Amino acid sequence: SQQGEEDPQALSIQEGENATMNCSYKTSINNLQWYRQNSGRGLVHLILIRSNEREKHSGRLRVTLDTSKKSSSLLITASRAADTASYFCATLPAGGSRLTFGEGTQLTVNP
Amino acid sequence: GAVVSQHPSRVICKSGTSVKIECRSLDFQATTMFWYRQFPKQSLMLMATSNEGSKATYEQGVEKDKFLINHASLTLSTLTVTSAHPEDSSFYICSATAMRNRANTGELFFGEGSRLTVL
Repeated sequence: SQQGEEDPQALSIQEGENATMNCSYKTSINNLQWYRQNSGRGLVHLILIRSNEREKHSGRLRVTLDTSKKSSSLLITASRAADTASYFCATLPAGGSRLTFGEGTQLTVNP
Repeated sequence: GAVVSQHPSRVICKSGTSVKIECRSLDFQATTMFWYRQFPKQSLMLMATSNEGSKATYEQGVEKDKFLINHASLTLSTLTVTSAHPEDSSFYICSATAMRNRANTGELFFGEGSRLTVL
């Protein structure tokens, strides 16, 4: 199966609630990144966490990384309808130069 | 932040014709650009890696004669879909890496994508 598998595939929540998405990977990584894609648009880089980091924050985003479990989570707090999008994790392998993308989580935030 | 411009955003063409998609880094030099293909509700599939001044490296299963990639300068890469067929209809996205502090973090800056429809 593909490096960077995400769950859930789809998530529907109410505005104001928190959204948590998870990503698992298989090989050693240099860093892990999260991207957002609005429908029919390109991807936007959200946050990068290095392999020696465990947690990182950016505004309403919180990312954790557990290299022993080869997993990461993205938490969006106090979600807004405008957060509706697909979210992808991507891993940069240790010693590698190409990102590998997960399958993505489709987040829908209902007003 | 780094900006990547992709053009055209939408193109409709007849079967058998060729279509060129441009990807430009507007405010940084992109030593490496990547071309992806994305089907509806699916992830990005890397097609090829393009380095300035050298031949592109294609992923397994991607026909290099079908998808011509040229990276003639540090700010421009082009993807030409030759003799397009309906099955080539897809969303094509380019991205570029930028060097910061002499290190490449692997962070990618994406174009807005090009929706190709082949009739």
